[in-house]
Order: sequence, then structure tokens, then C-alpha cells
Amino acid sequence: DGGITQSPKYLFRKEGQNVTLSCEQNLNHDAMYWYRQDPGQGLRLIYYSQIVNDFQKGDIAEGYSVSREKKESFPLTVTSAQKNPTAFYLCASGLVAGGELFFGEGSRLTVL
Amino acid sequence: AQSVTQLDSHVSVSEGTPVLLRCNYSSSYSPSLFWYVQHPNKGLQLLLKYTSAATLVKGINGFEAEFKKSETSFHLTKPSAHMSDAAEYFCVVSDPSSGDKLTFGTGTRLAVRP
Repeated sequence: DGGITQSPKYLFRKEGQNVTLSCEQNLNHDAMYWYRQDPGQGLRLIYYSQIVNDFQKGDIAEGYSVSREKKESFPLTVTSAQKNPTAFYLCASGLVAGGELFFGEGSRLTVL
Repeated sequence: AQSVTQLDSHVSVSEGTPVLLRCNYSSSYSPSLFWYVQHPNKGLQLLLKYTSAATLVKGINGFEAEFKKSETSFHLTKPSAHMSDAAEYFCVVSDPSSGDKLTFGTGTRLAVRP
């Protein structure tokens, strides 16, 4: 089935550790996105990529990093510089900028 | 700059009664508008989208929304609520002046009482 796979679904991290969230899509979409979701705040854009080997910062990129070495994959690293990393992270892909997005099921990160 | 305001953070209805979730937007150009639904601990799923065609848009699961330019609104409705409609709903706006970036509302949580 076509879709977006995020892993892990749940992740616990100690303070000071970097963690990487995986996002893979088989929809042949050029654009991929990472969003952070906190209660009552909607979705906020962390990073996005519209083509392989290129990506741009979103509204809240500080403390995060990404790579886009393959069209299908867009991993997100939450670094120790991110002051408040506990959140629900959503990966999405789209055929065209500004169009419909297809979302993964999310990864919930908890910092202990 | 574009923005979107969801006027109610929580809405509660009885099963079988109509649903109205309100959304107002601000956009410099003719925008694209979307409604997404999110069930607990899941990703978002597209319900419907408006992209400058018919102003009354029909979506999945019996939902529909009407684009009203004069009121800058895009309210989501359903004639009869079902228990499975309980979820969080997001209104989203996109327009070319913002580089086709999507702006999400803060969400409306819909509860359905038996």
C-alpha cells in the first residue's frame, strides 16, 4: 500500500541526547515536511524539502536538523540544543507545494 | 500574510444532530483551503479541499464546507453526527503570496454524545 511510514511510534530520550525520527514515503512525492504538534497549538512547520539534496527551515527549526539524500526518505534529528523536545512529530508529503498533504501516523517523543 | 482562526476549541453535539465547526481565514490572494481530521495519536487525514472551483465542497464521511469570500469563512458542516466523528479538526489555508506554505489553525475538538 502507498503511504508514509514513521518510526518509532514512541520514543524516550534522556536530556542531552540526540534522537533521529524516521520518515519514509512510497508515494513518489517530491515535497516532504516535518511538523511539531503541541496541545492547543496546531501544527508548526520545522523543516521542509521540495527536492532531493535540498531543504529549508520552517518556523521552528532551531534545535532540529534534517537530510534528504533520497526522494523516499526525510529523517529528522532532534538535537540536545532543542530546549523543549517533548511533543508529537508528524511527517507529511505532497505532490505540489501548497496542495494536499499525506501524513504519517506520528512519533511521540518524551524527554525524561 | 495568511492566517486562519478556528473559532471554537471544543464543540460537543449529540449523535444524530448537525455539526458546525467554524473557520475564518485571512489571505492576500484567492486561497486554497482545506479541512483535515485527526483521531487520537494518529496522523491527519484530508476531509475536503477548496481550490477556486465550486464554493460548496463535499468531502468524505458526509462532511461539506462552503467557501464564502465576503465573510472570509470556510465552515465545516455535517447534517448528522456519528460517534466515529469524534476527533480533532484542523482548518488550513495556503496561498501563493506565502510561497504556498500551509498555515494550520489551532484545531477544534469535536465530542459526540450518545
